[in-house]
Amino acid sequence: AQKITQTQPGMFVQEKEAVTLDCTYDTSDPSYGLFWYKQPSSGEMIFLIYQGSYDQQNATEGRYSLNFQKARKSANLVISASQLGDSAMYFCAMRELYQLIWGAGTKLIIKP
Amino acid sequence: DTGVSQDPRHKITKRGQNVTFRCDPISEHNRLYWYRQTLGQGPEFLTYFQNEAQLEKSRLLSDRFSAERPKGSFSTLEIQRTEQGDSAMYLCASSIIQGALTDTQYFGPGTRLTVL
Repeated sequence: AQKITQTQPGMFVQEKEAVTLDCTYDTSDPSYGLFWYKQPSSGEMIFLIYQGSYDQQNATEGRYSLNFQKARKSANLVISASQLGDSAMYFCAMRELYQLIWGAGTKLIIKP
Repeated sequence: DTGVSQDPRHKITKRGQNVTFRCDPISEHNRLYWYRQTLGQGPEFLTYFQNEAQLEKSRLLSDRFSAERPKGSFSTLEIQRTEQGDSAMYLCASSIIQGALTDTQYFGPGTRLTVL
């Protein structure tokens, strides 16, 4: 069963607009961690933001924030004021024991 | 602050040859992970070390694959008798123990393997 679902294979967004990347997850464990990573064309996986299942507030890191809706099992990434350098693949991942379980990713392209 | 490094960045080999990749984690990180990523997909977990002990291996890691982390520092991933299906990006990550769910994995630039 797929545990992480990213329903948007690709998105085009105008520069300076906000963008929301969707992620839904499936787990029966009450304790879990959710991560978002960015992968530019160079290939390196860059950590963006983390949300724990027991965190009371939505995580924020600079222009990145996480819209965490526990009852809906969704953890959408919001990027404010998008920049050309934000063009990349974005992956949602969930911690399961020692490994990360990954979604298929969303390719984000920022248009000037 | 030195990040995770991997060597080589690219490797082209002929089917049937052996290849070895190296990963140097962030210093003081005691956990090290290997993942494989094929084009258009998210990474797939291969194996995990805590210090020098290999604690978990995926079923994806066939007998042709072996990983080591001597002395709990750098790690090597060897693929014997490579097959065309082994062509992928091999990603290494490291983390430091913070909690069961919270330690963040930091990734290296990856090694892209092409098997002809």
